[in-house]
Amino acid sequence: DTEVTQTPKHLVMGMTNKKSLKCEQHMGHRAMYWYKQKAKKPPELMFVYSYEKLSINESVPSRFSPECPNSSLLNLHLHALQPEDSALYLCASTKRGQEGISGTEAFFGQGTRLTVV
Amino acid sequence: AQKVTQAQTEISVVEKEDVTLDCVYETRDTTYYLFWYKQPPSGELVFLIRRNSFDEQNEISGRYSWNFQKSTSSFNFTITASQVVDSAVYFCALSESIQGAQKLVFGQGTRLTINP
Repeated sequence: DTEVTQTPKHLVMGMTNKKSLKCEQHMGHRAMYWYKQKAKKPPELMFVYSYEKLSINESVPSRFSPECPNSSLLNLHLHALQPEDSALYLCASTKRGQEGISGTEAFFGQGTRLTVV
Repeated sequence: AQKVTQAQTEISVVEKEDVTLDCVYETRDTTYYLFWYKQPPSGELVFLIRRNSFDEQNEISGRYSWNFQKSTSSFNFTITASQVVDSAVYFCALSESIQGAQKLVFGQGTRLTINP
């Protein structure tokens, strides 16, 4: 199983709603990531969990709240979002290979296309 | 700071033509990794190739080949005999290790369209 599965694939939410994005992998990878990708732009790193602990927060607003309940699951909780938060949210995972963590390829999910209205 | 530049925003070619995607990077690290990822319309990024900074040997893998030149900080990617299924956005990325995890810095991407 070399897949990263994200649900839902599409989400429309109002600015007062609370919703959650889910990401799951069963490859035994111990680092999991959230990236945000605006239309026609490259992905930008938001959060990194390493061994279920938050290791990187790229100054993301608190209306985005990540959670890593176990080594296979990563959530992103959304609350009081703004229309400019509409984007493709990508989850990824990596293992630590012979090349070290920086040299290993990342496995990405298909993303959740979020629209905030 | 790490930076990746893909000067070609869009490329359109006819099927079976060869196409080269350009990538220029900036880093102060002496050891680093470069990647190419493909993003089809379905959304996921698919790993294509990886090169580390201390191995400048260029390789060919099927229809893909890459040219890594440290002297010019370039990491170009070539698709030979392009096919319609190659149509996608291609990202070059520079990787760094931060606090036990990987941070990918992507270029702006090149949208490649292969016309039948």
